[in-house]
Amino acid sequence: EDQVTQSPEALRLQEGESSSLNCSYTVSGLRGLFWYRQDPGKGPEFLFTLYSAGEEKEKERLKATLTKKESFLHITAPKPEDSATYLCAVQALGSNDYKLSFGAGTTVTVRA
Amino acid sequence: GAGVSQSPRYKVAKRGQDVALRCDPISGHVSLFWYQQALGQGPEFLTYFQNEAQLDKSGLPSDRFFAERPEGSVSTLKIQRTQQEDSAVYLCASRGTGLSTEAFFGQGTRLTVV
Repeated sequence: EDQVTQSPEALRLQEGESSSLNCSYTVSGLRGLFWYRQDPGKGPEFLFTLYSAGEEKEKERLKATLTKKESFLHITAPKPEDSATYLCAVQALGSNDYKLSFGAGTTVTVRA
Repeated sequence: GAGVSQSPRYKVAKRGQDVALRCDPISGHVSLFWYQQALGQGPEFLTYFQNEAQLDKSGLPSDRFFAERPEGSVSTLKIQRTQQEDSAVYLCASRGTGLSTEAFFGQGTRLTVV
């Protein structure tokens, strides 16, 4: 069964203090790894898809990287508006390759 | 509309009551998903439609849960005889063609069973 573990559960940062979130996954074969942002009371908002080890994607202050066992979401010089829960999800190869398996998320709070 | 729309946003049901949650996917999206999100957890897969066909309902917690998408567009998730453990946020997502394209989520329906 696919497993996704995110750490830490919560992260408190000072504005401008860069940090990284971790997503460890176990899957028989990876079709894609997805990062979503979720604000309180809202649905997940798509950020990135990574397909193969070594791949990197960037969007503003966020950069996602992928290895064969984990993905990192790097937040560079965060601002208060980056406060949210960040969810990682995997899509496995095989007959169930349409569904996403999510981790529990990392809640990031950025103080001004 | 431009995004996935869900209604109602909030629903309070008395234990034993039946509820129906609606999802309007992005126009033209073939794939539609329902997920359940408990407080402090990530979304958990419930069911998957491709057009009007329900291809996977393995995540539905019990036979009290039923989903349909009769015309391949709007979908309804129905929960019969609600129980307190059904309290959660129910998220709908739709996706265009291509297995690895991203899924777009609605804002969810928060169900509270009292």
